[in-house]
Amino acid sequence: EAEVAQSPRYKITEKSQAVAFWCDPISGHATLYWYRQILGQGPELLVQFQDESVVDDSQLPKDRFSAERLKGVDSTLKIQPAELGDSAMYLCASSFVDSGDTQYFGPGTRLTVL
Amino acid sequence: GENVEQHPSTLSVQEGDSAVIKCTYSDSASNYFPWYKQELGKGPQLIIDIRSNVGEKKDQRIAVTLNKTAKHFSLHITETQPEDSAVYFCAAINNAGGTSYGKLTFGQGTILTVHP
Repeated sequence: EAEVAQSPRYKITEKSQAVAFWCDPISGHATLYWYRQILGQGPELLVQFQDESVVDDSQLPKDRFSAERLKGVDSTLKIQPAELGDSAMYLCASSFVDSGDTQYFGPGTRLTVL
Repeated sequence: GENVEQHPSTLSVQEGDSAVIKCTYSDSASNYFPWYKQELGKGPQLIIDIRSNVGEKKDQRIAVTLNKTAKHFSLHITETQPEDSAVYFCAAINNAGGTSYGKLTFGQGTILTVHP
C-alpha cells in the first residue's frame, strides 16, 4: 500500500537554528499539505500545494517558515530561525485531486526546540 | 471559517462495550467529514468518512452518522477491543462548488481507552 514518506522522524535543535523537513506524497497525488500538530490538539493546516503552486498559506508564519514543491512531487518545509514555540509534530498529507478527496497522512516529524 | 467541536475529550470503556464520539460543525456548507485514528507517535490514519449526501455509513465495527440539520456527526465503535485505544479526530471541510481550496478543520480529539 502506498504511503506518504517523511523525514526525519525526529529532530532536536536549538532555538535560532534552521531546520528542514522533507515529504514525499503518494505517487500521483496532486495536492500536498503541511500541518502542525501541537501536543493534545488536532492538526492545523500550514500550507497547501496544488501541484507546484501554493493555494493556501494563510496560516504559515512567513517571517520564519517557508515551503516549496518545486517539481510538483516532493516538498520541503523549512523553519529559520526556530523558536521554542515551534516544538510540535509536523505532518505531511496528500490527496489525489483536491482537498475534498481523502487526505492520507505521513508518520510526521517530531520537532523539539531547546 | 469552520469550527469543529468534539466531545468527549476522554472516553474510557470496557472491552466489548460500545464507544460514541460526537462532533458539531459550524459551516452549513461543509460536505465531507472524515474520522482519523492516531496512535502514539504516528500520523493520523483515516478510518471512515462520510459525505453530505449520505446519512450513515458503516464499515464492520465502525459507523458514522451525519445530521446536516443539526450540523453534527458521530463515530460509533461497537465491540471495542484494546487495540482500538488511540486518539480519534473528527474533521470537516467545505468543498462546495468543486473548489480545490477548502481547508480540513479538525476537532480537538478524543482519547479512547479500552480496558481489557
